[in-house]
Amino acid sequence: DTGVSQDPRHKITKRGQNVTFRCDPISEHNRLYWYRQTLGQGPEFLTYFQNEAQLEKSRLLSDRFSAERPKGSFSTLEIQRTEQGDSAMYLCATGQGNEQYFGPGTRLTVT
Amino acid sequence: AQSVTQLDSHVSVSEGTPVLLRCNYSSSYSPSLFWYVQHPNKGLQLLLKYTSAATLVKGINGFEAEFKKSETSFHLTKPSAHMSDAAEYFCVVGPHFGNEKLTFGTGTRLTIIP
Repeated sequence: DTGVSQDPRHKITKRGQNVTFRCDPISEHNRLYWYRQTLGQGPEFLTYFQNEAQLEKSRLLSDRFSAERPKGSFSTLEIQRTEQGDSAMYLCATGQGNEQYFGPGTRLTVT
Repeated sequence: AQSVTQLDSHVSVSEGTPVLLRCNYSSSYSPSLFWYVQHPNKGLQLLLKYTSAATLVKGINGFEAEFKKSETSFHLTKPSAHMSDAAEYFCVVGPHFGNEKLTFGTGTRLTIIP
């Protein structure tokens, strides 16, 4: 257990619905990252926060995706109008130095 | 741009024999390199990291990796495999100034034969 928690652990939704995931970081870490991992692949970077500021976004993050980190603590990742291609594991990580510590992930299945 | 290539998608070894998982990297900068392990239904765990200090890096659970700049390699080794080592292993090139993301390889699935 790295100390990074994610909720929910599993989410099944129908195509077209909106979903929101939450990440609670290690309290002293000011950097927070979101990654997406599809079956048989390594995680791919989505976005990154330094405190409450979103500093970098991947081209993978379409306009249906939005991430927030109010007050620089927990973070949420929302996907609007889900598509079957959004089915994946969504991973949150928090950083200290050049190390990143990952949560257990939220597995999203879009039917 | 930076990237990593894991040369084997699947490696099988017998319990008690050596493990070698191969990784080559590409980076415009002096890289930070990592190995992460992912057990089934578990989160990613940092095994070890290289950040321009000693070229031979020791990690948890008896794993080590050697940074070879001339070969652009960062192979992961363990002298004697244990059943609990069965997992997916990811070679990762890490952040440098102005670019905070980790870039993962496609992973190597390690199977341990009893």
